[in-house]
Amino acid sequence: GAGVSQSPSNKVTEKGKDVELRCDPISGHTALYWYRQSLGQGLEFLIYFQGNSAPDKSGLPSDRFSAERTGGSVSTLTIQRTQQEDSAVYLCASSLEILSENYGYTFGSGTRLTVV
Amino acid sequence: GQNIDQPTEMTATEGAIVQINCTYQTSGFNGLFWYQQHAGEAPTFLSYNVLDGLEEKGRFSSFLSRSKGYSYLLLKELQMKDSASYLCAVRDSGAGSYQLTFGKGTKLSVIP
Repeated sequence: GAGVSQSPSNKVTEKGKDVELRCDPISGHTALYWYRQSLGQGLEFLIYFQGNSAPDKSGLPSDRFSAERTGGSVSTLTIQRTQQEDSAVYLCASSLEILSENYGYTFGSGTRLTVV
Repeated sequence: GQNIDQPTEMTATEGAIVQINCTYQTSGFNGLFWYQQHAGEAPTFLSYNVLDGLEEKGRFSSFLSRSKGYSYLLLKELQMKDSASYLCAVRDSGAGSYQLTFGKGTKLSVIP
């Protein structure tokens, strides 16, 4: 696609429910990244994919968080048993290769998750 | 680890020049990025510095001093549309070179 697409754009869920967030990167981009942005905080790295593999999952806050990527394209971030502290904007980004020096990442518009 | 500091908020007048500073303490360094983020939108790439000195791109310039762990973003001829958050991000070196560590961002308000 023309840009990085994320869905849904907004999600309100009840505490304890599971949620799935989707990211569709730019076609041909091999690297995909998930970040979390909480109010007043910087972007927090969650996980990175090169192709379908996730070499580094160390940023995932807890074992309630998981992510997968299939076909070297779409990625899904799943949060199980959501808690109120999970409320944040979840941003996905992609790049042609690892951190292009010409433009870094291309970000999606994010999914705003609110846990009530 | 990485520690990146930038001012939380700044205000400047339309037509003026503003400088947004960023200092970093990092275990490794392989480049510094600046992004612009309008409220409710995705961050967009502004500039990249890996060597010391000034990179100029139209109204925006970015400076880096690796020895001082310091960068700034300079915005000239400010326009109302420049009101946004500006994010400083450092790229790690070695095994973590795929990852960007972001500062908390500087919210710039441009006033008439």
